[in-house]
Amino acid sequence: GAGVSQTPSNKVTEKGKYVELRCDPISGHTALYWYRQSLGQGPEFLIYFQGTGAADDSGLPNDRFFAVRPEGSVSTLKIQRTERGDSAVYLCASSVRGTSESNEQFFGPGTRLTVL
Amino acid sequence: AQSVTQLDSQVPVFEEAPVELRCNYSSSVSVYLFWYVQYPNQGLQLLLKYLSGSTLVKGINGFEAEFNKSQTSFHLRKPSVHISDTAEYFCAVSDRTSGTYKYIFGTGTRLKVLA
Repeated sequence: GAGVSQTPSNKVTEKGKYVELRCDPISGHTALYWYRQSLGQGPEFLIYFQGTGAADDSGLPNDRFFAVRPEGSVSTLKIQRTERGDSAVYLCASSVRGTSESNEQFFGPGTRLTVL
Repeated sequence: AQSVTQLDSQVPVFEEAPVELRCNYSSSVSVYLFWYVQYPNQGLQLLLKYLSGSTLVKGINGFEAEFNKSQTSFHLRKPSVHISDTAEYFCAVSDRTSGTYKYIFGTGTRLKVLA
């Protein structure tokens, strides 16, 4: 079946611009996560959705970052007034919720964001 | 707060030799443990996971890992590596009591298999 998809695969923008990154999770997965992977680092947690609501947004670095999941499926990560330090690969993951066996997260290929 | 340490940033090893990639986590609370592999310009792929039960976990591509609660470790091993195992390997921990199951990743270990 289809895995997690993310669009665009690459995004180049200029400092100060607004960007949107999209994640389409595996069908039926109610949990959705965003992570950010900077060069040479492991992925860092940004935000977690259970259904439509953001259950944990403790990883968002500041108020320029915002994410939505209005219908409990597709999610959009929005970054305002981008800065060069926002350059990274943004990863989305989804998982089934409810039991310990469902904890595995399935990752998308990521969106590489470059802020010039 | 939970943290994950992968002490070895790079591990060079000759083909067909054994390898161990080390992972230690900070908290002794109930955790789920994972190893992911990332090939160049690709996404993260699950190698293996520990949720409960046997502390020796077998994964794909001949990899295995052992959960050691007393040492808070989850080292990844393979008895004989191939050139195709060259990749970045990430250890991740998920706190079973957090309710969010978010992952805390280590900084990764780059495995380079030499011919």
